[in-house]
Amino acid sequence: DAGITQSPRHKVTETGTPVTLRCHQTENHRYMYWYRQDPGHGLRLIHYSYGVKDTDKGEVSDGYSVSRSKTEDFLLTLESATSSQTSVYFCATRTGDSNYGYTFGSGTRLTVV
Amino acid sequence: QQQVKQSPQSLIVQKGGISIINCAYENTAFDYFPWYQQFPGKGPALLIAIRPDVSEKKEGRFTISFNKSAKQFSLHIMDSQPGDSATYFCAAGYGYKLSFGAGTTVTVRA
Repeated sequence: DAGITQSPRHKVTETGTPVTLRCHQTENHRYMYWYRQDPGHGLRLIHYSYGVKDTDKGEVSDGYSVSRSKTEDFLLTLESATSSQTSVYFCATRTGDSNYGYTFGSGTRLTVV
Repeated sequence: QQQVKQSPQSLIVQKGGISIINCAYENTAFDYFPWYQQFPGKGPALLIAIRPDVSEKKEGRFTISFNKSAKQFSLHIMDSQPGDSATYFCAAGYGYKLSFGAGTTVTVRA
């Protein structure tokens, strides 16, 4: 996890408020990903980025948006938080070659009350 | 809809025993099959991975078996140790995306 920092590590927020989670990497990796982890579902892809300002949706993107203005930072925004978005959020990166070895951050535990 | 189905959900094994986790997939476009290990409070970490042109890969006590025709792959943990107690995820990938199984919590009893 040394090259990826997620902030905050824990957050409690109220339903209907916007929330932004930050992922910062020092590895200069091209690809960055946001996953959510829920019991019984494993990790599900929310959004990913394949370069600065280049992003695309994953399988559970509704209610989420992302931005990547610099190689090192990938932001995930919950536009109007709902209780169903209570989860642990993981950021991951990988290099641009054929290696699928993702590196994950330590996660952000988000609770929406 | 889960693209990779993983079983069992949890298992308990005695120290020195063998843990076996199974995964199945449908999408034949998948060309990379990694396994991740996750400890509580940490992010998943790559454990071992295999490509579909290989039927088996071994790294230390961890072995992946791959059956392309059945679209199944499995992780075997030999001589299980208490330090192996963790959640294990299988995954399948192509392009720039990985799809994960639901995870298996392994508990190794001393």
